[in-house]
Amino acid sequence: DTAVSQTPKYLVTQMGNDKSIKCEQNLGHDTMYWYKQDSKKFLKIMFSYNNKELIINETVPNRFSPKSPDKAHLNLHINSLELGDSAVYFCASSQTLGQPNEKLFFGSGTQLSVL
Amino acid sequence: AQSVTQLDSHVSVSEGTPVLLRCNYSSSYSPSLFWYVQHPNKGLQLLLKYTSAATLVKGINGFEAEFKKSETSFHLTKPSAHMSDAAEYFCVVRGLAGTALIFGKGTTLSVSS
Repeated sequence: DTAVSQTPKYLVTQMGNDKSIKCEQNLGHDTMYWYKQDSKKFLKIMFSYNNKELIINETVPNRFSPKSPDKAHLNLHINSLELGDSAVYFCASSQTLGQPNEKLFFGSGTQLSVL
Repeated sequence: AQSVTQLDSHVSVSEGTPVLLRCNYSSSYSPSLFWYVQHPNKGLQLLLKYTSAATLVKGINGFEAEFKKSETSFHLTKPSAHMSDAAEYFCVVRGLAGTALIFGKGTTLSVSS
């Protein structure tokens, strides 16, 4: 069974559209994350939720809105998509946010292409 | 603030030769350091982590890394490269508990036969 699964794997859409990426983890973890990987492979944290509560919110346009209906799910909704949003988005989870040495489990990524 | 610098954006080795991927870190606190690997079209997988228990850390697939505080380095090594090691490698730091991981910009490892 896949530990962290995100859908869709590929998403191609037009500028201005609204789209969502879903993420689910079956590890029983308390904390989930969204990372963005740009074309130069640079990974940057976007959001972190701990037990459905927003913990980390980096400087991300408010067109991006994470939603956590329960601690096993963290979905990412993007409004009014722009060309610069094209990237690979990775969902991840960890047991807790509190431990410095905690291991993150990553999903396989969603490649978003905005045309 | 925490940061990591991966000194090489691309490393090429021949199969069977040693691998060295370099990483320097900056942290105001005693850091936790990680190496993650990303195979093509795959998610990221933890290779190893340093958490102050031992300076030489062994990971999966024969990789290891040595934490050197005096040099603020955490270089990743493997004695003998395999074709399957070709991937993107990320050096990662976390400072305070409760903060997010900070990723380096990655090093692409190519392995030729």
